[in-house]
Amino acid sequence: SAVISQKPSRDICQRGTSLTIQCQVDSQVTMMFWYRQQPGQSLTLIATANQGSEATYESGFVIDKFPISRPNLTFSTLTVSNMSPEDSSIYLCSARTGTDYGYTFGSGTRLTVV
Amino acid sequence: SQQGEEDPQALSIQEGENATMNCSYKTSINNLQWYRQNSGRGLVHLILIRSNEREKHSGRLRVTLDTSKKSSSLLITASRAADTASYFCATDSQAGTALIFGKGTTLSVSS
Repeated sequence: SAVISQKPSRDICQRGTSLTIQCQVDSQVTMMFWYRQQPGQSLTLIATANQGSEATYESGFVIDKFPISRPNLTFSTLTVSNMSPEDSSIYLCSARTGTDYGYTFGSGTRLTVV
Repeated sequence: SQQGEEDPQALSIQEGENATMNCSYKTSINNLQWYRQNSGRGLVHLILIRSNEREKHSGRLRVTLDTSKKSSSLLITASRAADTASYFCATDSQAGTALIFGKGTTLSVSS
């Protein structure tokens, strides 16, 4: 089954700065997804990233704040821009893969903004 | 976006008791999955039930699906302290789209 390597696993960042999170899949996948999980909450879909096209953002999320790159079929990045303490969350990537249940998740990035 | 509600939001039981969590969703689905998450760590896939299935078992887990009511339940039998975690249902409405998660149930099992 596919494996997604996500990094960094955690970071503490100053407000106003940006952090780029990377996800590497060990097989080619058409679609990748990015989620945010705020403290004590469930996962909320940020955007869907297709290779070779602009990411599709969910309501409440904008490209200027969360730019996404998808340069090839195995890699994607999410940048959290101009961070504020409200951006402190766990960010997870996911992809449709060949597992029995269809989806694989990265291990998450725990972001704290101070 | 959140697909629906899960209830209860929190559940506290003793070891050996059964735990039942419910999930409701809003749109038609291909399948419904349940995940476990320990203390904000990575997601662990538990079980998948397809839209044409009504019940599925895996070890101490039993999942039911009622597509007419757009609801599912997860039963954990003979619970253990190690079952303490947050449990989420997730649905995908079309092949290839993202999973949409419910709000989750936090289960606490005390010994």
